[in-house]
Amino acid sequence: NAGVTQTPKFRILKIGQSMTLQCTQDMNHNYMYWYRQDPGMGLKLIYYSVGAGITDKGEVPNGYNVSRSTTEDFPLRLELAAPSQTSVYFCASSYPTSGTDNEQFFGPGTRLTVL
Amino acid sequence: KQEVTQIPAALSVPEGENLVLNCSFTDSAIYNLQWFRQDPGKGLTSLLLIQSSQREQTSGRLNASLDKSSGRSTLYIAASQPGDSATYLCAVPSGSARQLTFGSGTQLTVLP
Repeated sequence: NAGVTQTPKFRILKIGQSMTLQCTQDMNHNYMYWYRQDPGMGLKLIYYSVGAGITDKGEVPNGYNVSRSTTEDFPLRLELAAPSQTSVYFCASSYPTSGTDNEQFFGPGTRLTVL
Repeated sequence: KQEVTQIPAALSVPEGENLVLNCSFTDSAIYNLQWFRQDPGKGLTSLLLIQSSQREQTSGRLNASLDKSSGRSTLYIAASQPGDSATYLCAVPSGSARQLTFGSGTQLTVLP
């Protein structure tokens, strides 16, 4: 199993450009998440999905969009890049099987700079 | 709203020392608590997950404890090594999708 994979690893955007961050998992997990991590900080939730066709906003969704057409893929779209979106983006997945079980597995991250 | 705090923000110790990293959370109604390791410029590696019904979880030189009633967890690292240098993050799930709320991390440096 490759686990959670993310592309690209690095990207530099100009203000106003758009891009899609790709995330794929091969563990058949139904829950997927996008987090961002600013320097010296913990991670904050952008969007999440509990299954194909179902997405919802997290703590910091402004400026982003997501879709979930398959169990495996959960792309994150930036429509009009702004310097405030300079961050490291992590995708994660999990498969809650009971009330107490929810280990999340993370991808390696995408480092995005907006100039 | 769940808040997670980690103290200290940074810690430097000589090799061989035993050390404790602290994590506190405001809402004790948690499913579990997860500890992660993050190396500079890298992703997150899951170290330990403690279920809400457990008090401790061990993996090699790592031991994590959980006290839900006081809203605290500790990560104990025995006989620290330079290779343990990294940032350690704790996180608790909440909400219908068990999304994680993270602390800001403790940056650990183990000096040879």
